[in-house]
Amino acid sequence: GQQVMQIPQYQHVQEGEDFTTYCNSSTTLSNIQWYKQRPGGHPVFLIQLVKSGEVKKQKRLTFQFGEAKKNSSLHITATQTTDVGTYFCAGGTSYGKLTFGQGTILTVHP
Amino acid sequence: SAVISQKPSRDICQRGTSLTIQCQVDSQVTMMFWYRQQPGQSLTLIATANQGSEATYESGFVIDKFPISRPNLTFSTLTVSNMSPEDSSIYLCSVEESKLAGANVLTFGAGSRLTVL
Repeated sequence: GQQVMQIPQYQHVQEGEDFTTYCNSSTTLSNIQWYKQRPGGHPVFLIQLVKSGEVKKQKRLTFQFGEAKKNSSLHITATQTTDVGTYFCAGGTSYGKLTFGQGTILTVHP
Repeated sequence: SAVISQKPSRDICQRGTSLTIQCQVDSQVTMMFWYRQQPGQSLTLIATANQGSEATYESGFVIDKFPISRPNLTFSTLTVSNMSPEDSSIYLCSVEESKLAGANVLTFGAGSRLTVL
């Protein structure tokens, strides 16, 4: 079955440093979604990428979808303490099934 | 976005008992999903709850262990039956908020954190 691998599992950064998490799928995806889960909270949808090579930005967050539609990345510039949480990618197939990656737990030290 | 109310928010249960989790949505939705998130782990889809028909279970999950009800378009329940410590987890209800490029964009409830002793 479809597998979505996400690295790193953990990332500790100093406030102001950049952060990147990577997502790789075993199969070609129809789309990739990103969710953020704050500590003690529930996952919240951030964005969806659909097109090969697509890049989208949300303030300090940059999302990228690979040319082959099998990988994606989320980059945060100049992290802030409000960025702490777990970032999940979720690979979507053409028939609507979503498979979540393992998540990257980000901690930001002030 | 849809507002999802899930209860209980947390519970401590004894081995061998069953617990039913309720999920109420403030609008009518076609598809509701139940996920499990084990401590420090990712989200695993248990089943899709369909109104008017039996739930569709993912590989590794069976109806006898996780019976689901979906009596109407705004409500669903998930029962965790005959619980063991391995069932300690967060159980999340979610709904399809929109459909973009054929994929479900999900809104999640706050989750129900179960601890089985």
